[in-house]
Amino acid sequence: KAGVTQTPRYLIKTRGQQVTLSCSPISGHRSVSWYQQTPGQGLQFLFEYFSETQRNKGNFPGRFSGRQFSNSRSEMNVSTLELGDSALYLCASSPGGGARNEQFFGPGTRLTVL
Amino acid sequence: AQSVTQLDSQVPVFEEAPVELRCNYSSSVSVYLFWYVQYPNQGLQLLLKYLSGSTLVKGINGFEAEFNKSQTSFHLRKPSVHISDTAEYFCAVVRVDSNYQLIWGAGTKLIIKP
Repeated sequence: KAGVTQTPRYLIKTRGQQVTLSCSPISGHRSVSWYQQTPGQGLQFLFEYFSETQRNKGNFPGRFSGRQFSNSRSEMNVSTLELGDSALYLCASSPGGGARNEQFFGPGTRLTVL
Repeated sequence: AQSVTQLDSQVPVFEEAPVELRCNYSSSVSVYLFWYVQYPNQGLQLLLKYLSGSTLVKGINGFEAEFNKSQTSFHLRKPSVHISDTAEYFCAVVRVDSNYQLIWGAGTKLIIKP
């Protein structure tokens, strides 16, 4: 099976712009989670989608949003970019419900905001 | 609320020496515990997890961890490290009644000295 893929791998934007990141989960996985990783704050949970519904949301401003499509692919959008949004954004997929399941991570999208 | 503390930000160790990476957690409810590894420029990969049962958990690449409920710890160990173990290691917990909102430690960089 192919792993979790994320596109693009690298992105450079300027302040005030918006950006959309894409994640394709492992085939058959219905849950997709997004994380932000920075040197200062570490790994922080953004949100989780399951069967096109947002099930959980972390403590991020409304500029961060996401969605999941019927084929389980997910997109994350950040509007009005700030310098502090520079980070590695990781997507993870899992077969279904339940906290005990392993999450499978993609390689991430590195976003740089200038 | 849950929290995870990884006491060491970096652990240098000589090749073929044993290593222990420390993880302590705080939670008022039952949690599952995980160790993930992140190799340079890659996403995260599950090393091992504790759900229930035996407190000694064996994972991939020769790693193991012991769950200690009284000390709220989940330390990761390997009897003999290899240069390929150079990576950052993350401890994480999730409530048994939640859906994927993993709470992460800050990470420990394992530095293997030749």
